[in-house]
This record gives sequence, structure tokens and C-alpha cells, in this order.
Amino acid sequence: EAGVAQSPRYKIIEKRQSVAFWCNPISGHATLYWYQQILGQGPKLLIQFQNNGVVDDSQLPKDRFSAERLKGVDSTLKIQPAKLEDSAVYLCASSLSTGTTGELFFGEGSRLTVL
Amino acid sequence: DQQVKQNSPSLSVQEGRISILNCDYTNSMFDYFLWYKKYPAEGPTFLISISSIKDKNEDGRFTVFLNKSAKHLSLHIVPSQPGDSAVYFCAASANNNNDMRFGAGTRLTVKP
Repeated sequence: EAGVAQSPRYKIIEKRQSVAFWCNPISGHATLYWYQQILGQGPKLLIQFQNNGVVDDSQLPKDRFSAERLKGVDSTLKIQPAKLEDSAVYLCASSLSTGTTGELFFGEGSRLTVL
Repeated sequence: DQQVKQNSPSLSVQEGRISILNCDYTNSMFDYFLWYKKYPAEGPTFLISISSIKDKNEDGRFTVFLNKSAKHLSLHIVPSQPGDSAVYFCAASANNNNDMRFGAGTRLTVKP
């Protein structure tokens, strides 16, 4: 079974530029998450989708971050314009459905460096 | 707001001995707790979980203990192996996985 796929693995941009990350969850997983992990900290939830609807985006900085999950499968996370403090690993995760065991399956992450 | 805390950023143990990783939480609404393991350049992988209705869950060399009154959980690895060297994250959620909160992680090093 294929795992959660993310791209790109690494991205270096200058502040005020834009960047987009892509995620393909495990087939059949209805719930998709984007987490931000800053160095030395645990992952922080940015947004959670159930199929193509947003369940929770309370911690998403909506002035610069946006995410979509058209058709309820793949998802993209965009940052525009990027700030220095956005340097982090962006982790995508999926699970069968909200309300199951709680186990999330994570991708390898996309490491963003903002200069 | 740090609702899940792992106060030890690192832990070093000898191969064959017990590793004990600790986690504290503040939100009494949390009812499900998980441990994830992360190797460098990889995403976290699920290790073991426990529901708030239990106080212990065991899976091979890994055991998680939950003390609800103290809002504390711990992960025991016995015996520790060099391959266990990784960063371990404690996570907690209420209402299943609608809002899973992670601790900052503990880096475990198991020395041969």
C-alpha cells in the first residue's frame, strides 16, 4: 500500500515569495491534515479536511496561508507571501475518517527554508 | 498553548536497558493518547496508543502507561535497541482525532 506522498521534499525561497506544497493521501483516506513543524517543536495542526470540506482551520494564518482539497483527494498548501518564520517542515497526514482510532499516517514532509 | 509537554528533549540509554519517555498534558478533555516515532528525514510513524478508559497498553517491547489523575503518560521500551534511536512524540486528542496536539518530542539515543 502506497503511503502519503508529498512534494517537493525541499524548497528554498526568499521572503515575500510564494510556495506551494502538494499532498496525495493514502487511497481511501477521507481525512487529510496539514501540520507545520518548526525545528525543536512538535507538529502543529494548520488545517484538517474531511473529504473536500474543511473541518478545522483555526490555526491556519489565513492572511498568507491557503489550502484546498478539490475532489476530496489531493491537497495543496500555499504560502503567499512567505515570511522568515515560515521556515519549517510541512507534514501532510491522512486517516480513514474523523472519529476512528486517531492514528494518522504521515508523509515524509516538505522542508521549507525562507531566506 | 502547550497542552502537551515533553520536558526532556533528549534521553540516552544503554542497549538492553529500559527507556522511559514521559509526557504531561493539561487539557482534561483529552481522551486518546498516542506515541509517534520519527527518524531523520522521515515523517512520524504511529507506535502505540491508549484510550483514557485504560491505564496501560502493551505491544511487544513497548508499553504506554496513563495516569489520568496526574495528567501524565509514559512510554516504556524494554529492552531498548539501537534501532529505537529516534525522536518520540507524544500526542493527545479529544473527540478522536479532530484536534491532535503534539509535544515537542524527546530524542532517544540507544547506545550499543
